[in-house]
Amino acid sequence: GQQLNQSPQSMFIQEGEDVSMNCTSSSIFNTWLWYKQDPGEGPVLLIALYKAGELTSNGRLTAQFGITRKDSFLNISASIPSDVGIYFCAGFDNYGQNFVFGPGTRLSVLP
Amino acid sequence: EAQVTQNPRYLITVTGKKLTVTCSQNMNHEYMSWYRQDPGLGLRQIYYSMNVEVTDKGDVPEGYKVSRKEKRNFPLILESPSPNQTSLYFCASSYRGGQPQHFGDGTRLSIL
Repeated sequence: GQQLNQSPQSMFIQEGEDVSMNCTSSSIFNTWLWYKQDPGEGPVLLIALYKAGELTSNGRLTAQFGITRKDSFLNISASIPSDVGIYFCAGFDNYGQNFVFGPGTRLSVLP
Repeated sequence: EAQVTQNPRYLITVTGKKLTVTCSQNMNHEYMSWYRQDPGLGLRQIYYSMNVEVTDKGDVPEGYKVSRKEKRNFPLILESPSPNQTSLYFCASSYRGGQPQHFGDGTRLSIL
């Protein structure tokens, strides 16, 4: 089946630093989503992208839908301790009518 | 409050003993799906449903069954659980396919 790759797999940063992570696919997607998962909870939607080239912000978070429709990135500015968690990208394929999730990027923020 | 509710949250059981994990949403969503989450593999879709009485296989359907008799409920059935089905399971729903999904809090299954 389709697969998404996320990089980096994990990262340790200092509080206040900016963070960048990305998601790539060998297939084209028509929708890209970014989720965050805290321990013991289900993923929570951060940003949804519906058009190639789209750049969308949600507070300190900014995500872009790649022009090729095969990638997306998520930036977090001025990280804080509550940014700790696992960040997942997800792509939706209109043909298969199902979502594909990446393996996640685990973020740790050091005080 | 809009939510997706899964039960049970935790279950330890033995190989071969049929079990059902229930999922209910109160948002009148058409699309519902089940995922399993395993370390390093992210979320993999098991089954999904575009609407009542319409279900389809996801990426890892083997060993699972689902049904969608009512819009709000989408139970996951393991007829004969095996240890390789030990995992964290999530139910999710959205207004329709392609829309961002709301996730439940997860069900941790351990099959001994």
